[in-house]
Amino acid sequence: EIVLTQSPGTLSLSPGERATLSCRASQSVYSSYLTWYQQKPGQTPRLLIYGASSRATGIPDRFIGSGSGTEFTLTISRLEPEDFAVYYCQQYATSPTFGGGTKVEIK
Amino acid sequence: QITLKESGPALVKPTQTLTLTCTFSGFSLSTTSVGVGWIRQPPGKALEWLALIYWDDDKRYSPSLKSRLTITKDTTKNQVVLTMTNMDLVDTATYYCARWTYFSDSGAYHFDYWGQGTLVSVSS
Repeated sequence: EIVLTQSPGTLSLSPGERATLSCRASQSVYSSYLTWYQQKPGQTPRLLIYGASSRATGIPDRFIGSGSGTEFTLTISRLEPEDFAVYYCQQYATSPTFGGGTKVEIK
Repeated sequence: QITLKESGPALVKPTQTLTLTCTFSGFSLSTTSVGVGWIRQPPGKALEWLALIYWDDDKRYSPSLKSRLTITKDTTKNQVVLTMTNMDLVDTATYYCARWTYFSDSGAYHFDYWGQGTLVSVSS
């Protein structure tokens, strides 16, 4: 089973700043199989980025996914108030696994 | 419009079997390259994938929970049912179902629509 490790656990930033979230896989993941979800407090997870770098429908272009192999990154170029949330990466080879999440909180 | 909704008991006792139903609309589980999955989230913790069922009745389970899980579908009712045996206190969580869809541009599957989740507490 592929284990996804997300870092940092919590990111404290101000609106307008850049956020860089990391997702490291215990073995190589095909980029197409890497997905990012956003979960706001009390809400359902929302598909954000799929195929490592493609934005889902309606996702603003300040969300940028990148990476390959075992290292993937989600960058939020300029944080908006609505972006403060928890972000999860997820992969599937034969079966899905999720990372532990990164909380982006207001500094 | 695609919607999914989970239903089931809010409270179960340790050792009991949990049965959850996901009722969906706006898509069919008879359609090629579509599936439904179950994911759970203990309070304040991360998401954990549990099980998947595909349109062709292929089933996948979390290796760590495989012995306790069964997933089935009823295409005519647009429902997917998850059973989890031998419930324990640590199984207290919000349980989500989500559509698992093949995206042609990525060549891969993703959870694109999620239900609102149902909180299941395990307590004696």
